[in-house]
Amino acid sequence: QKEVEQDPGPLSVPEGAIVSLNCTYSNSAFQYFMWYRQYSRKGPELLMYTYSSGNKEDGRFTAQVDKSSKYISLFIRDSQPSDSATYLCAHRDDKIIFGKGTRLHILP
Amino acid sequence: NAGVTQTPKFRILKIGQSMTLQCTQDMNHNYMYWYRQDPGMGLKLIYYSVGAGITDKGEVPNGYNVSRSTTEDFPLRLELAAPSQTSVYFCASTSRLAGSSYEQYFGPGTRLTVT
Repeated sequence: QKEVEQDPGPLSVPEGAIVSLNCTYSNSAFQYFMWYRQYSRKGPELLMYTYSSGNKEDGRFTAQVDKSSKYISLFIRDSQPSDSATYLCAHRDDKIIFGKGTRLHILP
Repeated sequence: NAGVTQTPKFRILKIGQSMTLQCTQDMNHNYMYWYRQDPGMGLKLIYYSVGAGITDKGEVPNGYNVSRSTTEDFPLRLELAAPSQTSVYFCASTSRLAGSSYEQYFGPGTRLTVT
């Protein structure tokens, strides 16, 4: 079983919609989770970083961890065409293990 | 700061050739990583290093070698290139010292084609 699983998409939503991106993880001991954004032909960049359960908000972005179901989510409010990218979830211990990434297209 | 730099940006290799992908960071980070990214497959960890002189295998180390003689540099060596090594290679670094954010910084990538 892969450590972090993520639907690769692509996911297409109209501009202004709320986007929900999700991952599941296998080990209930995981505590540190991240969301990275990767534009085409660029390296990933860190968007959000969360520890344990609960929500963390940063502008239009909210990261959520549900440890009971081993589910992590990223919500994007008021989505913009500039949000079109691949979003990778990851967990961290000594190394960072990434999901496959979800390709998101925001349609103008 | 330049951050994480990688050279070359692009390279085409013939089967059986060898090459070294260079990675340098100027942020005094102790942890450095090499990933490969195949289309639709996310990032797979090849090797990582927790400090100068210390390296360890990741998920997909076969066909690669690394060394870490300085804090700044973490080169990745391909000894006998194979078509399966066609990929985009990313180097990354992070500080794992107390009080740091643990954010991982990525280089711009090296696109390698083996034919």
